[in-house]
Amino acid sequence: GENVEQHPSTLSVQEGDSAVIKCTYSDSASNYFPWYKQELGKRPQLIIDIRSNVGEKKDQRIAVTLNKTAKHFSLHITETQPEDSAVYFCAAKGAAGNKLTFGGGTRVLVKP
Amino acid sequence: EAQVTQNPRYLITVTGKKLTVTCSQNMNHEYMSWYRQDPGLGLRQIYYSMNVEVTDKGDVPEGYKVSRKEKRNFPLILESPSPNQTSLYFCASSLGTARPQHFGDGTRLSIL
Repeated sequence: GENVEQHPSTLSVQEGDSAVIKCTYSDSASNYFPWYKQELGKRPQLIIDIRSNVGEKKDQRIAVTLNKTAKHFSLHITETQPEDSAVYFCAAKGAAGNKLTFGGGTRVLVKP
Repeated sequence: EAQVTQNPRYLITVTGKKLTVTCSQNMNHEYMSWYRQDPGLGLRQIYYSMNVEVTDKGDVPEGYKVSRKEKRNFPLILESPSPNQTSLYFCASSLGTARPQHFGDGTRLSIL
């Protein structure tokens, strides 16, 4: 089955700096890659997603890049703000079957 | 308001006492799923359902049952709960497998 690894597990950045989280996946036929943000005590919420036919997608300060050859995708947050502090999860959906496999999460702390 | 509703939000129970966690969505979504969240392990899929009467195992189905008799409801059943099922559980729904998932607020289960 699909295996998703996420790094780093914790990330501390200064307000205004950029944050990058990387995920690798095992199933070369995976075709959907969402990113979720989970604030403390809250539900996960989708922040951005990308499909396998696209290499990059951007939404204001957030961008996701996909490298299908290397089987990895990354979340980029620019001009970080204290409200970006949360746990971020990547996920991948394999082409075979209908399961969504999540990475272990990255705790991001933005220091003012 | 579009939402996924889980009940109960918190439950402390004892080993072997059957319990059901309900999940209901009002968005007419076809795909529904249950996850458990444990520290350092991210979100792991327990079961999912593509539509009424169609369910399938996720990555950690042992000790759980589900049913999908109506499109809006997807209960999670623990017939004989054990302490290793102590966790935070999330129900989610979406239009399809490769679409953004909407999560409920979570159910924190403690099994003594």
